[in-house]
Amino acid sequence: GAGVSQSPSNKVTEKGKDVELRCDPISGHTALYWYRQSLGQGLEFLIYFQGNSAPDKSGLPSDRFSAERTGGSVSTLTIQRTQQEDSAVYLCASSPRLGNTEAFFGQGTRLTVV
Amino acid sequence: AQTVTQSQPEMSVQEAETVTLSCTYDTSESDYYLFWYKQPPSRQMILVIRQEAYKQQNATENRFSVNFQKAAKSFSLKISDSQLGDAAMYFCAYRSGTGNQFYFGTGTSLTVIP
Repeated sequence: GAGVSQSPSNKVTEKGKDVELRCDPISGHTALYWYRQSLGQGLEFLIYFQGNSAPDKSGLPSDRFSAERTGGSVSTLTIQRTQQEDSAVYLCASSPRLGNTEAFFGQGTRLTVV
Repeated sequence: AQTVTQSQPEMSVQEAETVTLSCTYDTSESDYYLFWYKQPPSRQMILVIRQEAYKQQNATENRFSVNFQKAAKSFSLKISDSQLGDAAMYFCAYRSGTGNQFYFGTGTSLTVIP
């Protein structure tokens, strides 16, 4: 498809389990972003990739959160030992490296930790 | 880091009326881009309108227009002839002209009253 694709759309997991969230950006977009959105709230920045490197990891809330990007394309956000406060919608976006274009968003993954 | 402020957590408007959503930002840069995004209940973030800082003319997209006041660092969104489908969360965003990071406001929830 032409847009940003995220999988799964919804994920229910038990507290303490690890989860992986996947993002397929638009082909050719070198910048990739992860955001977290709690119910009815704004976007909390998590991490940003330029190619395969992450110049800004400042938003990762704890060392249970990690992300990687391979081949300048697909990115995986991993949450280890999930906690109930991790429940949120995780949004991925991509953008060309520079220029005035907007960030293009996926539909997000709704994570529920029970 | 730049900050983006949306001071109206919630707004409402009668159908067919006009509403203005406020956004201010803080930056020392002269080259940047501003965006308004719409997030309906489907959670898909959709670009509504963009403004280049170097352009004096306010951007317009059909019923949506902005009032860009560069000196005041203000970027408000005006929605004319409001429709039920305009009901959503609206986010203001800033992007540096030389960088890749996007900075988002906390959002304004718009209700359209039939």
